[in-house]
Amino acid sequence: KQEVTQIPAALSVPEGENLVLNCSFTDSAIYNLQWFRQDPGKGLTSLLLIQSSQREQTSGRLNASLDKSSGRSTLYIAASQPGDSATYLCAVSTQGGSEKLVFGKGMKLTVNP
Amino acid sequence: DAMVIQNPRYQVTQFGKPVTLSCSQTLNHNVMYWYQQKSSQAPKLLFHYYDKDFNNEADTPDNFQSRRPNTSFCFLDIRSPGLGDAAMYLCATSYGRGSYNEQFFGPGTRLTVL
Repeated sequence: KQEVTQIPAALSVPEGENLVLNCSFTDSAIYNLQWFRQDPGKGLTSLLLIQSSQREQTSGRLNASLDKSSGRSTLYIAASQPGDSATYLCAVSTQGGSEKLVFGKGMKLTVNP
Repeated sequence: DAMVIQNPRYQVTQFGKPVTLSCSQTLNHNVMYWYQQKSSQAPKLLFHYYDKDFNNEADTPDNFQSRRPNTSFCFLDIRSPGLGDAAMYLCATSYGRGSYNEQFFGPGTRLTVL
């Protein structure tokens, strides 16, 4: 059974710092990994998708990497801003017939001005 | 803009009173999903439709059902809501399956059960 872990559960940093968010998963047989952002009381916004054959994806100040063999992904946020404050979730799509995304519980990020 | 729309955004119902949540999409995607997210927890898939093919998760309670009358719309029916069903319900879509299967989410419906 696929399990996704995000540690720590919360992080508070001053504005301007470069951040690394971690995600680990137990079953390396994945189709892809997605990083999402969730603002309080809102739905999920897709940030990046990394296919299983890829090593990394970039969008603006965000860079996500994938090491499938070790079951790890990182989301790098450059020059953090208060507007980056949100909960960040990673999710994997596991091979084997089911199309579901298995999510981590997320990491709540607070960027202080 | 192409998007996933959920109505209502907030729904209050009474214990045991049936409720229906609605999802529509303008992306013309083949797959539609319903997730349940309880407070401070990870979203959990309830079921999904690949076109008209319904796929139920093994641990989804019988109390939850879904309908997809056409490509654009999908409904979540909760037949007899209990207090434990209070949650955010998220609808998502994707074009297909496999490595390119990026899922796009709607804003969610917050369900309160009194």
